Amino acid sequence: AQSVTQLDSQVPVFEEAPVELRCNYSSSVSVYLFWYVQYPNQGLQLLLKYLSGSTLVESINGFEAEFNKSQTSFHLRKPSVHISDTAEYFCAVSGGGSYIPTFGRGTSLIVHP
Amino acid sequence: NAGVTQTPKFQVLKTGQSMTLQCAQDMNHNSMYWYRQDPGMGLRLIYYSASEGTTDKGEVPNGYNVSRLNKREFSLRLESAAPSQTSVYFCASSETAENTGELFFGEGSRLTVL
Repeated sequence: AQSVTQLDSQVPVFEEAPVELRCNYSSSVSVYLFWYVQYPNQGLQLLLKYLSGSTLVESINGFEAEFNKSQTSFHLRKPSVHISDTAEYFCAVSGGGSYIPTFGRGTSLIVHP
Repeated sequence: NAGVTQTPKFQVLKTGQSMTLQCAQDMNHNSMYWYRQDPGMGLRLIYYSASEGTTDKGEVPNGYNVSRLNKREFSLRLESAAPSQTSVYFCASSETAENTGELFFGEGSRLTVL
């Protein structure tokens, strides 16, 4: 069985500061990893994904995540956040015969001016 | 392109009442899902349908039933609502059962049970 742990329930940060949202997973087989973002009163939307190949993946709005197999992590980073990045971020994992992703409990990113 | 559409967006029920949440997708996806989202709990899978004509229980199926009406539509029914079912419900879809796990979500249905 797969599981996902998001180590921080809330991350407050000032605008233009860097941020890292942590995600660790447990799985004994090859995995696919995802970060989803949920803006207030909206559904989730895919931010970025790791399927195979390069361990560093990027989104169109400046976020990046690195797949680290040895540490079973997929942390999300952004070098300079904006107010508009305030949202809930969910890490998810699928694979190993289960195509249905398992979600973490979410991290609320709060960007202060 | 509408994607995944859920109705209603808001609903208030009294304990014991029944209701159905509707979901439709226009992306020709084979698989559809119902999740509930509660504070601090993330998303928990209620039921899913890998393909038209099949449904399976997820992590928290008790108190719910589903119907895969056709390839486009997947409804969630609460037969006798309870306050513990107060939540935000999300419908999602994906291309195939062998899909890598990328889901497309609706905007959610906020349900309050008094």
